[in-house]
Amino acid sequence: GAVVSQHPSWVICKSGTSVKIECRSLDFQATTMFWYRQFPKQSLMLMATSNEGSKATYEQGVEKDKFLINHASLTLSTLTVTSAHPEDSSFYICSADRYMGRTDTQYFGPGTRLTVL
Amino acid sequence: DAKTTQPPSMDCAEGRAANLPCNHSTISGNEYVYWYRQIHSQGPQYIIHGLKNNETNEMASLIITEDRKSSTLILPHATLRDTAVYYCIVRVSVAGGTSYGKLTFGQGTILTVHP
Repeated sequence: GAVVSQHPSWVICKSGTSVKIECRSLDFQATTMFWYRQFPKQSLMLMATSNEGSKATYEQGVEKDKFLINHASLTLSTLTVTSAHPEDSSFYICSADRYMGRTDTQYFGPGTRLTVL
Repeated sequence: DAKTTQPPSMDCAEGRAANLPCNHSTISGNEYVYWYRQIHSQGPQYIIHGLKNNETNEMASLIITEDRKSSTLILPHATLRDTAVYYCIVRVSVAGGTSYGKLTFGQGTILTVHP
């Protein structure tokens, strides 16, 4: 159990276009989902926290107008990179929070490799 | 959330136990110890977590010292597929409420399992 999927697994786009990435929790409902970004040879950096039915909370330095997050259901969150530029090329990973017993655990998707030309 | 300290790299022979240490001397009473691993170009995989008691699941064992200032992740019989970056993270865990316990990833330990 606790499977999280992402689509697409990789995408190449032209500079100035927008790209949408989907994150789905397949076998559990997630009130909270998270979006991370990872540059080569670096660790994961949290971009934003997404709560179902409300606005996302962005980390300091992350442009909310550039990285649009929608969490419309308990199993789906989307990240849209608007007007993408080469510096946005990165590995984007989502996670979904699952409650079991007295604690919660984040389960991660496989990631989406974005390349902006 | 409290910070953690891990060795940057470790080696282990295939079939032997891999013991990965983690120091978290500033951990608070309501913070759990979580372990994840990331194989190259994949999303992190959850391994195990605990508060103060030792924990075991099908993947690994987690040993937490009595003062909770350090812990050890044990992979009992390492295989080549266990080669990955292992992250030790401490965070608050919320039961049934809105999660606000962020996962802050450090540099982790690069575990290399060799034949």
